Amino acid sequence: EVQLVESGGGLVQPGGSLRLSCAASGFTVSSNYMSWVRQAPGKGLEWVSVIYSGGSTYYADSVKGRFTISRHNSKNTLYLQMNSLRAEDTAVYYCARANKRWLQLDYWGQGTLVTVSS
Amino acid sequence: DIQMTQSPSSVSASVGDRVTITCRASQGISSWLAWYQQKPGKAPKLLIYAASSLQSGVPSRFSGSGSGTDFTLTISSLQPEDFATYYCQQANSFPPWTFGQGTKVEIK
Repeated sequence: EVQLVESGGGLVQPGGSLRLSCAASGFTVSSNYMSWVRQAPGKGLEWVSVIYSGGSTYYADSVKGRFTISRHNSKNTLYLQMNSLRAEDTAVYYCARANKRWLQLDYWGQGTLVTVSS
Repeated sequence: DIQMTQSPSSVSASVGDRVTITCRASQGISSWLAWYQQKPGKAPKLLIYAASSLQSGVPSRFSGSGSGTDFTLTISSLQPEDFATYYCQQANSFPPWTFGQGTKVEIK
């Protein structure tokens, strides 16, 4: 059974850093495309980042230069390193698997809340 | 970047109604479109991919159509469990990928 479990969210001050983790089971992270999507309170979904199986990474303009997506193959875990956090980064962050053929996000984690506030 | 515009932003409907949601891309995306359903406090759930392919386990009352810039999600006979917010997402091969702003389906 495919499962994705995020962790690492919490309260952080503006300008601070946080690293989110997404532990996967039932499939191999490194063989798949993996993505992060966020949702600010009461708002819609916003795509954040993706890492392809070959290692290429892409980011939304809103986080480019501040966030870094990576993976640990032996731990079968996806990460999102978030630096220089701003109030507008406050959101629930979801990790999701992107199907390699049509790139749809077919499995999602339950989400982890990041709050940026002083 | 490709922008996705959904309409309407909300719709009130009754159980048994046919509901149609549209999504327009700012440039052609062939069939690189997915639809998701989200209920409050829950992660999104994939309904449709490749514009018209039904995800495994999703009821057949959900259907998708379109290609290029104009797409439609149809719920043929609305059920109580279908009251939720629906999002389209373009997944053109080269990121960034983008979501529509969402359509809330409410009980009339």
